[in-house]
Formats: sequence, C-alpha cells, structure tokens
Amino acid sequence: AQKITQTQPGMFVQEKEAVTLDCTYDTSDQSYGLFWYKQPSSGEMIFLIYQGSYDEQNATEGRYSLNFQKARKSANLVISASQLGDSAMYFCAMREGLRGSNYKLTFGKGTLLTVNP
Amino acid sequence: GAVVSQHPSRVICKSGTSVKIECRSLDFQATTMFWYRQFPKQSLMLMATSNEGSKATYEQGVEKDKFLINHASLTLSTLTVTSAHPEDSSFYICSARAGTSMAVNTEAFFGQGTRLTVV
Repeated sequence: AQKITQTQPGMFVQEKEAVTLDCTYDTSDQSYGLFWYKQPSSGEMIFLIYQGSYDEQNATEGRYSLNFQKARKSANLVISASQLGDSAMYFCAMREGLRGSNYKLTFGKGTLLTVNP
Repeated sequence: GAVVSQHPSRVICKSGTSVKIECRSLDFQATTMFWYRQFPKQSLMLMATSNEGSKATYEQGVEKDKFLINHASLTLSTLTVTSAHPEDSSFYICSARAGTSMAVNTEAFFGQGTRLTVV
C-alpha cells in the first residue's frame, strides 16, 4: 500500500483564488511528520510547510496552510491568493518513526498545479 | 533555511563512462545525506542514505556497485554513477539534515538537483 497518496495528478486555479491540494497518508506510527514541497520546472525542491503528528494546531506559513485531519489521515495543502509563480509540482511527504530512528522521507506522486491569469 | 549545493546541475556523458555528483552543505554540518532519483513526471525515490564516516545504506533494488556513495566529511557527499548507461539518465537530487538531532520535526534541505543524460 502506498504510504502517501496524492489523488490529483493536475490542478488548475485562477490567479488570486485559493486552491487545496489533497494528501492522505498511511502509517502505524504515533510519531511522524508531514511535509509539503514545491518543485518548479528548474527541479529544486522547496520546503513549504511542516506538520507534526502531535501538533494540535494546523501549520501555517504565509499563504500556505496545512489542513491536518489526523483521524482521517489527511494533510491537505491550502494555498491562498494563488500567484502565477505558484505554478509547479507539489509533493506531500512523510517521515515516520520515533526519535533516533530512521529519518527517511517518503514522497507522494505529486500534483501539478497550474495557475491561470 | 540552510543551503545545500549540488554540482553539476546538468551533465551529459557517454555510455560506459562514470559521472560524479557532489552534494555540499554550505552553512551547516550534515551528518546524514540522502540521494534520490526522479524520473520525468514521477516522484522522488530514495536511493541511499549516507552517513559521514560510514558506509551508505542502499534501498532495495539499488545497485551499490553502480551507484557509489562517499560521505567523507560533514559537508560533502558524492554519488558516482559508474559505467553509465542510457537507462541511468535521470534527475538526481540530494538532501541533507542539519545537526545530529533525530527529532521527527527536523526538515531536510535539498540541493538543486543534477540532470544526467547518458548518450
């Protein structure tokens, strides 16, 4: 079974509107971290936002917020006021395990976001 | 955030030759570095985990003799693709963890990636 599932291969949004990118995850660990990265066409991976499994509040970073629903095992990314520069591939990733254990990130297949003017 | 520099950004090599890719942490000590491979329009797949001063840990299905990883210092890890073939053409990207803390919430910083084309 996939550990990270991103069901939207592609998404379109009008400039200045908000968009939600879906991510569900599968883990039996109690302690884990969820990440969102942006990958523009240049290839670099840009860290956007992080949510820890024990964090009670949803993470926010500027125009990015993470809608964390632990019981549903979902960690959707919300981008508010979309900009043309937001057009890129977006990856959801998870790190499992307790302190001192494996640090590996597992990535979803990504969602290609296109912002239309 | 911390800076990870990867070099070269693009490389074209002939089939049968070897190519070395460098991953440097510029402003922090990286005890652990990770090497990923990404095929076009696909996700990142972890190839190996590199720990300074010890042998790399390879993921299942990754040939350790083909993808040589060396992590000789706290700021440098190298990936050498030996006897490259056209099917090795891909985007390779490294990431590095700052410090020695294994806390779950420590983010990983990524290099810019290397696009390898084997002709």
